[in-house]
Amino acid sequence: GQNIDQPTEMTATEGAIVQINCTYQTSGFNGLFWYQQHAGEAPTFLSYNVLDGLEEKGRFSSFLSRSKGYSYLLLKELQMKDSASYLCAVMDSNYQLIWGAGTKLIIKP
Amino acid sequence: IAGITQAPTSQILAAGRRMTLRCTQDMRHNAMYWYRQDLGLGLRLIHYSNTAGTTGKGEVPDGYSVSRANTDDFPLTLASAVPSQTSVYFCASSDSGAESYGYTFGSGTRLTVV
Repeated sequence: GQNIDQPTEMTATEGAIVQINCTYQTSGFNGLFWYQQHAGEAPTFLSYNVLDGLEEKGRFSSFLSRSKGYSYLLLKELQMKDSASYLCAVMDSNYQLIWGAGTKLIIKP
Repeated sequence: IAGITQAPTSQILAAGRRMTLRCTQDMRHNAMYWYRQDLGLGLRLIHYSNTAGTTGKGEVPDGYSVSRANTDDFPLTLASAVPSQTSVYFCASSDSGAESYGYTFGSGTRLTVV
């Protein structure tokens, strides 16, 4: 079966760094996505990784290791507005996204 | 319209009633999707359409039907609503050949079946 695992909830302090991990087992792989979802809103695209390594985009970076079935999202210089759920999703061999349940990130002042 | 529009934003529906959730996109994306999102379960695919005129079943299709008469519209119908269909429903679209852009989501419909 297909499975995506990520922690249910994490807490971090404003200004700090947090790493949200995601492990996956899917039938085929055509890329891994991270989405941000604020409470009561739609998910919005953050990052895409298809090759191994780190992709950096401002305060956010995403890492992928295909051999380990592993990714992480790194958020630096945390701001209160980063309080949200972060969804990991893998595009399978049929080009459909398989979603993790999401990690709720709580930022404390 | 810019992106995906869903209607209504929210709805309270009596059990047994028929309801259609509307979804329209103006990006000319070929693929469209309907998800439901429940606390602790994440996004679950109900139905999808890879191109106009075709549809497919997702992970949780029972009790729902869709149609894709044209590229822009992808309505989701609940034939006879039940309380377990209380959820937030998201419509999404994607452009095949541009997988790296992922999916674009509508703002969601919050449905309560009583």
